[in-house]
Amino acid sequence: AQSVTQLGSHVSVSEGALVLLRCNYSSSVPPYLFWYVQYPNQGLQLLLKYTTGATLVKGINGFEAEFKKSETSFHLTKPSAHMSDAAEYFCAFSGGYNKLIFGAGTRLAVHP
Amino acid sequence: NAGVTQTPKFRVLKTGQSMTLLCAQDMNHEYMYWYRQDPGMGLRLIHYSVGEGTTAKGEVPDGYNVSRLKKQNFLLGLESAAPSQTSVYFCASSYPRLDSTDTQYFGPGTRLTVL
Repeated sequence: AQSVTQLGSHVSVSEGALVLLRCNYSSSVPPYLFWYVQYPNQGLQLLLKYTTGATLVKGINGFEAEFKKSETSFHLTKPSAHMSDAAEYFCAFSGGYNKLIFGAGTRLAVHP
Repeated sequence: NAGVTQTPKFRVLKTGQSMTLLCAQDMNHEYMYWYRQDPGMGLRLIHYSVGEGTTAKGEVPDGYNVSRLKKQNFLLGLESAAPSQTSVYFCASSYPRLDSTDTQYFGPGTRLTVL
């Protein structure tokens, strides 16, 4: 069965610091992986996705993620955090019919 | 384009009451989904539909029913609400890519409290 694990339910960084949000997956089939962001009291918005091809995926708002099959990981990074990045981030695995299996989420706090 | 809209935004029910949540999308998507979001558990799939007139169970379907009578609408029903159904409910839709790589577009959510 497929599963997604996000390490760290809360991450706090200073403005301008590196953001690293960790995601590991378990799957017996080639994974299609997504990162979604949820701002307070809003729905989810796609940040980026990995399907096939290039393992380094660039998304919106300066975020990127690297698919590492050997480590079964799809960690999300941003070189320099901004106050507006404060949100909850979800890693997800896509199964049949585009159904998504979500991790538990990581809440990112950015402080001055 | 309004995208995905959900009605209502908030609702408070008493145990045993029934209600229907409405999801509408104007992107001509074939696939639609209902998720619930609970603290520390991410989003979990309740039911989904791959086309008008079809529905299927997701990960946590018990206590819910759905209908997809029109392509643009996906209804989620609670016949007899329980406190365990207190949650935030999200609807989503996507194109029918067979390789499961397409993006899901989410509505703003409905916050339901069952007393």
